[in-house]
Amino acid sequence: AQSVTQPDIHITVSEGASLELRCNYSYGATPYLFWYVQSPGQGLQLLLKYFSGDTLVQGIKGFEAEFKRSQSSFNLRKPSVHWSDAAEYFCAVAPISGGYNKLIFGAGTRLAVHP
Amino acid sequence: SAVISQKPSRDICQRGTSLTIQCQVDSQVTMMFWYRQQPGQSLTLIATANQGSEATYESGFVIDKFPISRPNLTFSTLTVSNMSPEDSSIYLCSVVAGGYGSTDTQYFGPGTRLTVL
Repeated sequence: AQSVTQPDIHITVSEGASLELRCNYSYGATPYLFWYVQSPGQGLQLLLKYFSGDTLVQGIKGFEAEFKRSQSSFNLRKPSVHWSDAAEYFCAVAPISGGYNKLIFGAGTRLAVHP
Repeated sequence: SAVISQKPSRDICQRGTSLTIQCQVDSQVTMMFWYRQQPGQSLTLIATANQGSEATYESGFVIDKFPISRPNLTFSTLTVSNMSPEDSSIYLCSVVAGGYGSTDTQYFGPGTRLTVL
């Protein structure tokens, strides 16, 4: 069955430090890959996505993610974290074949930022 | 992109009652979905809301408990029926719309936070 694993439930970083959030997926073929962010009391906002092509994807708010087929991973990175980045981050996948019709989410990683 | 609104934003309900959540999109979209996010959990797809036909439910979700309507391409409702405290969750509407360089982007509404006493 398709699944998404985010190994880190909570991560705390200092403001200005670099960030990497891990995501691994289990799927028969390369799916569509996404990262969403959910700020407290807010809905989900799309940070970036990978469909094909360049494996390093640039997103909004200074985030990027790298798709590594050999590791079935799609880790999210940011070189310098801002206090406003404190939120919950969800990795998600969707099957390519048969049309894009649903997302499978990881459990999420809650990011805290220390001043 | 698509702008999605949901009503109500939150509610507190009594056990055994029902609540209908509305989802309105600012443009016509082909695909609409309903998700549930239980406290401290990730999102789980409840169903795909199909315009003009019955919704398609995921495993573990049934129409009697979560009836869905989609009368047109911009609006859908989800009803949580005969509620119990286990239904306390955030319910989110999402749509697939063009934007951000592709037509295959899923956008989410702000969610409806439901508490069942």
